[in-house]
Amino acid sequence: GAVVSQHPSWVICKSGTSVKIECRSLDFQATTMFWYRQFPKQSLMLMATSNEGSKATYEQGVEKDKFLINHASLTLSTLTVTSAHPEDSSFYICSARKLAAFYNEQFFGPGTRLTVL
Amino acid sequence: AQSVTQLDSHVSVSEGTPVLLRCNYSSSYSPSLFWYVQHPNKGLQLLLKYTSAATLVKGINGFEAEFKKSETSFHLTKPSAHMSDAAEYFCVVSDQGPIKAAGNKLTFGGGTRVLVKP
Repeated sequence: GAVVSQHPSWVICKSGTSVKIECRSLDFQATTMFWYRQFPKQSLMLMATSNEGSKATYEQGVEKDKFLINHASLTLSTLTVTSAHPEDSSFYICSARKLAAFYNEQFFGPGTRLTVL
Repeated sequence: AQSVTQLDSHVSVSEGTPVLLRCNYSSSYSPSLFWYVQHPNKGLQLLLKYTSAATLVKGINGFEAEFKKSETSFHLTKPSAHMSDAAEYFCVVSDQGPIKAAGNKLTFGGGTRVLVKP
């Protein structure tokens, strides 16, 4: 299989605080992980591409200082939403691509629902 | 550049009748194409994928899709809808071929919400 987990599955925080979301590939190694954001009734939008051991590549319009990404190992990437505000409330989904994959097939986590009060 | 258009934002079918979800794509290279399903407040589950092998692709839960290069389409079908098929469906495209150092990206369609009536 190719299982990706996310933790936590949901989080509620106060405005101004920081929240860390973990994404783990449980049964495979992933050199590349991706972070997506999904607003209600909308499609997924890629926020950033995370490569193990290097800096993340952010999509246009995504603030890298607000959405900190760390990919410290071949099985773990973290997304930290710094100084969260209500407009950051969203469903965050990560995905992982297998080491040495030829095709761009990504395996998705179950998502994290962030609510900022 | 790549893009994908799902032609219907909502589809309503009766249980036991066929389902058709339409998807058109554009890609600078030979694409990989995927269909994912998302149930409420859940992550994405892969239904099927096309990666340049057979043009008719069979997936899980009775779904299948046909890659038509001349029409740049990858429509998803199921002969008989089940209540559990009610969900959001995403058509996704990616440039095929060796993974570049920067990482090939997936581009998502806008999604089609399927309602199944009893």
